[in-house]
Amino acid sequence: DQQVKQNSPSLSVQEGRISILNCDYTNSMFDYFLWYKKYPAEGPTFLISISSIKDKNEDGRFTVFLNKSAKHLSLHIVPSQPGDSAVYFCAASPGNQFYFGTGTSLTVIP
Amino acid sequence: DAGITQSPRHKVTETGTPVTLRCHQTENHRYMYWYRQDPGHGLRLIHYSYGVKDTDKGEVSDGYSVSRSKTEDFLLTLESATSSQTSVYFCAIMRQAYGYTFGSGTRLTVV
Repeated sequence: DQQVKQNSPSLSVQEGRISILNCDYTNSMFDYFLWYKKYPAEGPTFLISISSIKDKNEDGRFTVFLNKSAKHLSLHIVPSQPGDSAVYFCAASPGNQFYFGTGTSLTVIP
Repeated sequence: DAGITQSPRHKVTETGTPVTLRCHQTENHRYMYWYRQDPGHGLRLIHYSYGVKDTDKGEVSDGYSVSRSKTEDFLLTLESATSSQTSVYFCAIMRQAYGYTFGSGTRLTVV
């Protein structure tokens, strides 16, 4: 059973606008969450993280929000740039391994 | 870079043949992982290791075995490859605060 879900397989956004990627999880034991970015023919790369003791973490254009009561996290990219076009995976961990969502393919249109 | 390499990068093999994929790290991390990536499934854990000779199964371990005789090397073996094992395989190491660092992947095609 999928413990981490990304219900939007794809998203298209105009350059300069905000991109919002969503992720839901079911396991209340998850206490650490990450977003990864993946380009074709490359491995996923770390983007931003958040622990369960926080509800927001910001790094430049990227902000991750965590709503523990709703078991929901989101990634905001502002402003979106064409180079942000990639597949984004959210991941959650209760300890020593991460569970991944199915990914959202973001296309930023120039 | 991240100090993790996978080999081979691409492989085509026939159904029923054994296949071994290699993951090598240069940073002495304790935890190593093998994932497969498939459309509609994201990344799914096959096996992981928490030390030399210490391994455990992930959610999709059937048909796969692993070995870790040295800290730096984590091998994934398909005992008898099947078409359902056609996938992209990623090795990862665990880094505190950053989660995983992934290798570049191995694209395996079973024909």
